[in-house]
Amino acid sequence: DQQVKQNSPSLSVQEGRISILNCDYTNSMFDYFLWYKKYPAEGPTFLISISSIKDKNEDGRFTVFLNKSAKHLSLHIVPSQPGDSAVYFCAATVSGGGADGLTFGKGTHLIIQP
Amino acid sequence: EAGVTQFPSHSVIEKGQTVTLRCDPISGHDNLYWYRRVMGKEIKFLLHFVKESKQDESGMPNNRFLAERTGGTYSTLKVQPAELEDSGVYFCASSQDRASGGARFFGPGTRLTVL
Repeated sequence: DQQVKQNSPSLSVQEGRISILNCDYTNSMFDYFLWYKKYPAEGPTFLISISSIKDKNEDGRFTVFLNKSAKHLSLHIVPSQPGDSAVYFCAATVSGGGADGLTFGKGTHLIIQP
Repeated sequence: EAGVTQFPSHSVIEKGQTVTLRCDPISGHDNLYWYRRVMGKEIKFLLHFVKESKQDESGMPNNRFLAERTGGTYSTLKVQPAELEDSGVYFCASSQDRASGGARFFGPGTRLTVL
């Protein structure tokens, strides 16, 4: 029973264009969401996060949008660069709860084409 | 500042053997987490330490897995006896506080292969 779903295993985008990665969740208790980027043979690297009290958070080229009613979030990367090619994981948690682990999606492999 | 380190980077063992993985968190981080990614699947939470205490071990698969964090610094994760389905990449993460999901800094992982 996957509580965080990334339905696109891979995504190919041309350099300079916008990359949009999607994530859906089923657990309505989740109130904090994070995106991680992972290169081969490395651990996930934190990119950006958003609390459920917001619907948008920006950090440079990265913007995360949250639609609570649809239980959907997305990561926008503009403009896409070759170094953005990696696997992107969406993760969620219940902040302030007793359980503190992150629940991850399976990841989306983003490929930036020159 | 040194990041989260894990040892070994790779381990190949036979079914029934014992393996111990080590994680050194970022200095000063009280929170330490273990995660595991089985091939092609999502990264799954195993357990969470606050200093030397187990805060949440709800993700531990069974009693063949034992995690310790004596003294609240580094942590070990022992698998005894190892089974084929234990193969995967084991990640450790640490954070200074639990706010906002906690686990921000991940180590490079230990790839465990059980033959």
